This record gives sequence, structure tokens and C-alpha cells, in this order.
Amino acid sequence: KQEVTQIPAALSVPEGENLVLNCSFTDSAIYNLQWFRQDPGKGLTSLLLIQSSQREQTSGRLNASLDKSSGRSTLYIAASQPGDSATYLCAVGPRDYKLSFGAGTTVTVRA
Amino acid sequence: GAGVSQSPSNKVTEKGKDVELRCDPISGHTALYWYRQRLGQGLEFLIYFQGNSAPDKSGLPSDRFSAERTGESVSTLTIQRTQQEDSAVYLCASSRADVGGRYNEQFFGPGTRLTVL
Repeated sequence: KQEVTQIPAALSVPEGENLVLNCSFTDSAIYNLQWFRQDPGKGLTSLLLIQSSQREQTSGRLNASLDKSSGRSTLYIAASQPGDSATYLCAVGPRDYKLSFGAGTTVTVRA
Repeated sequence: GAGVSQSPSNKVTEKGKDVELRCDPISGHTALYWYRQRLGQGLEFLIYFQGNSAPDKSGLPSDRFSAERTGESVSTLTIQRTQQEDSAVYLCASSRADVGGRYNEQFFGPGTRLTVL
């Protein structure tokens, strides 16, 4: 069974600092990895999808890397803003359809 | 275009009652998924539809849970004889057809928050 771990569970930084969120998974036979953002009381917003053949994906201030062999992914958010405050979830997709989720990292960016 | 929508957004019910939760996927998305998120816990996969067939129901927690899908559109998750442990946010997601075995990005709805008293 795939186990997905996210560290740290919570993170508080001053505005402008770069954020580094970590995700690890136990089974490296993945098809892709997806990073989501969840705001309180809301659903999930897809941020980045990395296919297993890729090493990274970038979108604006976001950059996600993937190292399948070591079972790790890192989400970098440059120059954080208070609007980046949310819970960030990492989800791993095997060759079928089920996503296995981590418990998330709750980020607070202080103005 | 419109994203995944779910209704109701909130549902409060008494223990023992039945509830129905609805999901409207993104138009053209043939795959539909239900997940559950209990307070302080990660998301749990419940069921997956490809078209209107459900090849995998293994995540349904008990036989009180069932789901249907009409064609390639609306899906309904039904919980019979609700229990307090069913209280959670129920999230629906959809994705494009799994063409050639490629797994596609899942897009989530806002969820239904279910509270069983």
C-alpha cells in the first residue's frame, strides 16, 4: 500500500520568504504526482501535475520537483505572499486511477 | 468552462437518516471519483466511475454506502442509516477519458460537508 508523508505538518513564514514543502512516498512505481491547494472549507485546487517521466514542473512562482527513485517531491513557492496561506496536499497516482494523499502542510504567510 | 460542482454544500442530518450527495463533473470528463476527508485526516478514496460503470468500489467503507452515475454525467453518493462517524467532507473529482492508459489530472469540486448528529 502506498504511504504518502508530508513534512512539516505546519509552517509559518514572513511574507517574501521562499517556501519549501516536502512529500515522500513509499512505492516508487508511480505514474504521476499532483500538488493541490486547499483553502479552509473549500475543495482542492490543482496546482501542478508531474508525470513520472518528468523531473520538474513550473507554474509562475511554483516549482515542483520529482525524484522517483528516492520517493520524494518538493514544492517550492518563491517570494511568498499572505494569499499563499492554505493547506498544500501532495497526491500520488499509480497506473490506475486512485490518488493516495498525504495529510498536508498548513502554510501561514505573515504580512 | 464550469468546474466540478457538488450539492448540497452543507448537510446536517440525524443519526439513522439516509442522505444523498450529488456531483456534476466537468463536461466531457468520463472518469469520476468520490473521496472522503474526515476532520484532521487525509483524503480517502471511496469509488471510481468510468462512464457509468464502477470498476472499483473497494474504498466504500460499508454496505451502507452506494453510488450511481447516469451516463457520463451526474453521480449520486448515498449513505443509508447514517452514523456519527460518517461526518466528513465528501469530495468529488473528474478527469478526462483514460486514453491509451494515460492517467489524467483530477479536478475537484468544493465538497459537501456532512454532519451527523
